[in-house]
Parts: sequence; structure tokens; C-alpha cells
Amino acid sequence: EVQLVETGGGLVQPGKSLKLTCATSGFTFSNAWMHWVRQSPEKQLEWVAQIKAKSNNYATYYAESVKGRFTISRDDSKSSVYLQMNSLKEEDTAIYYCTWGTGDYWGQGVMVTVSS
Amino acid sequence: DIVMTQAPLSVSVTPGESASISCRSSKSLLHSNGITYVYWYLQKPGKSPQLLIYRMSNLASGVPDRFSGSGSETDFTLKISRVEAEDVGIYYCGQLLENPYTFGAGTKLELK
Repeated sequence: EVQLVETGGGLVQPGKSLKLTCATSGFTFSNAWMHWVRQSPEKQLEWVAQIKAKSNNYATYYAESVKGRFTISRDDSKSSVYLQMNSLKEEDTAIYYCTWGTGDYWGQGVMVTVSS
Repeated sequence: DIVMTQAPLSVSVTPGESASISCRSSKSLLHSNGITYVYWYLQKPGKSPQLLIYRMSNLASGVPDRFSGSGSETDFTLKISRVEAEDVGIYYCGQLLENPYTFGAGTKLELK
């Protein structure tokens, strides 16, 4: 059974940092292209970041809204993908989902609230 | 960025009737390999999104064949035949042709 479990969310002040973790199982993680997608309180989905597999040199891509502030990474030995979020803004408040491939499977999501 | 425009934003359907949701992209989603990179997702209340349709017209695993996807290079349709109570939720189209991947605003389906 495929599982993706996100952790690390919470309430944080503007300008602070937070790191999300997505632990996976049930598929060949090392070959998978992984993504972070977020959903605003208004229910809008926004793709945040992608990391490709080792065979693609772990290429990464970011939404313009997070470029320079967020970093996606992975640890194939742990079947996990991460999202380091720095210089957080109130508009980063959302549910963050980890997803695989073309959205074939999604985690349960983790809430990130940026507020003073 | 490719803009995905969905219509309507909400639809109310009698159980057993059919429903259609439209999605338009600001750029052709037809790749030179012949694949059209539009996807449909359903987010049921309180749940994570789930994949319904991939590459415009292919049914994802476990999805009832009441769902179907069609379209051209820039205009796409998700059709639900014989709507059931379990189909309630928000439907999103998305393009995975190029980064940044983008989604439509969503269409909320309710039952009459």
C-alpha cells in the first residue's frame, strides 16, 4: 500500500523557518519525481516545488512565489522528501501536501500557519 | 505561466443525472510526443485530492467508469454520468506539461 505522511507543520511567525518532512512507503521512491503542493484557505491549489530522481540529477523546480525561500530535497535511503521553508510570509499559510508523480498519490497534508 | 480556467465554479446535480465541467488552458497542452498533459482531480470533503483522469482521457486506477475526460489542445471536459452521492466535492483540472504546474480554481459539485 502506498503511503505518504507529512509532518512538521505548525504555527510560525513571519520571517521564521519551518521544515516539512514527507515519509513514504509502498513504491520505488528512488525512481519517483516528488512534489509539494499547497492549498490555501480559499481552497486554491498551488504547485510549490518538484524534485526529480537521481537519474535526472535530482533536478529541482520552484514556483516563483517561493523561489529563493523554499528548498526541496530528498533522502532516497529514507524514502523521504523535505521542504525547507525560510523567510515565511503570511501568504504561505496553507495545507501542504506531498505528492508523487502526476498526483497519483497524495499525503494527508500538514497545516502551516504563518501569523504573528 | 499556463493559466487554467474552469467553469462553472459550482454545479448542483440531481443524483442519477450527468454533469460536465469545463477547463480551458492559456496554451496548448499537447506535447510533441502526442500526449496531452491535462489531469483531473477530485477533493472530497475533508480529504486530500485524488487523481481521476490523467493525460486528458485516461481513467486512474480504481476510478468508476462513470467518469470520462475529453478535449482538444486547449479545451477540456470532465463528464460524470449518473452522479452519485460519493461524487460530491471540488474538482480541479491541472496542467503538467511544463513548470510551473498550474491548477484551475476548482468546481464545487453538490447534490440537489
